[in-house]
Amino acid sequence: NAGVTQTPKFRVLKTGQSMTLLCAQDMNHEYMYWYRQDPGMGLRLIHYSVGEGTTAKGEVPDGYNVSRLKKQNFLLGLESAAPSQTSVYFCASSYGTLRSTDTQYFGPGTRLTVL
Amino acid sequence: DQQVKQNSPSLSVQEGRISILNCDYTNSMFDYFLWYKKYPAEGPTFLISISSIKDKNEDGRFTVFLNKSAKHLSLHIVPSQPGDSAVYFCAASGGSNYGQNFVFGPGTRLSVLP
Repeated sequence: NAGVTQTPKFRVLKTGQSMTLLCAQDMNHEYMYWYRQDPGMGLRLIHYSVGEGTTAKGEVPDGYNVSRLKKQNFLLGLESAAPSQTSVYFCASSYGTLRSTDTQYFGPGTRLTVL
Repeated sequence: DQQVKQNSPSLSVQEGRISILNCDYTNSMFDYFLWYKKYPAEGPTFLISISSIKDKNEDGRFTVFLNKSAKHLSLHIVPSQPGDSAVYFCAASGGSNYGQNFVFGPGTRLSVLP
């Protein structure tokens, strides 16, 4: 059981370049999430998905797009990277209720730098 | 405006003593709270949770206390161990506009000194 994995671990982009971050989970979770973490701030939700084929906006969705074509994968895209998108990106998944014993399982993170 | 606040960016305690990490929230709709622990270069991992119907939840060395009237929760670690050195995030959910989502605090870095 690999849990939640993220690809790549590190990336440096130039302003205006595009890229896709891949998140994969092998726990058969329904819900998946993308967060960003910036210094002095908590994790902020970018987009999330409550099931295959569905996506929804989170707190800070601008400049990002997502797709959930397969239940186990959740992709985060940056169409035209900006320095403000320099951050550490975390993917998470959960069974779906976020109540009682449910919790989110996080990947190890992707450190993205936009020059 | 941050809905979940952790006003102490860092905390140092001696091994064997109690660590107390604090968290305050502003949204009265929050009804479920969690603590996550994060080591460098790893993702956060779930530590302990509490529902608003309780005021205390205990799991081994970790206890979370909730004071709803004060909109305050705290995590107690007794006794503290060097392996507890990490960043601790408080998170809250309930009444969110973003589905079943958590709002995270900025984190407190705990250092347990041998």
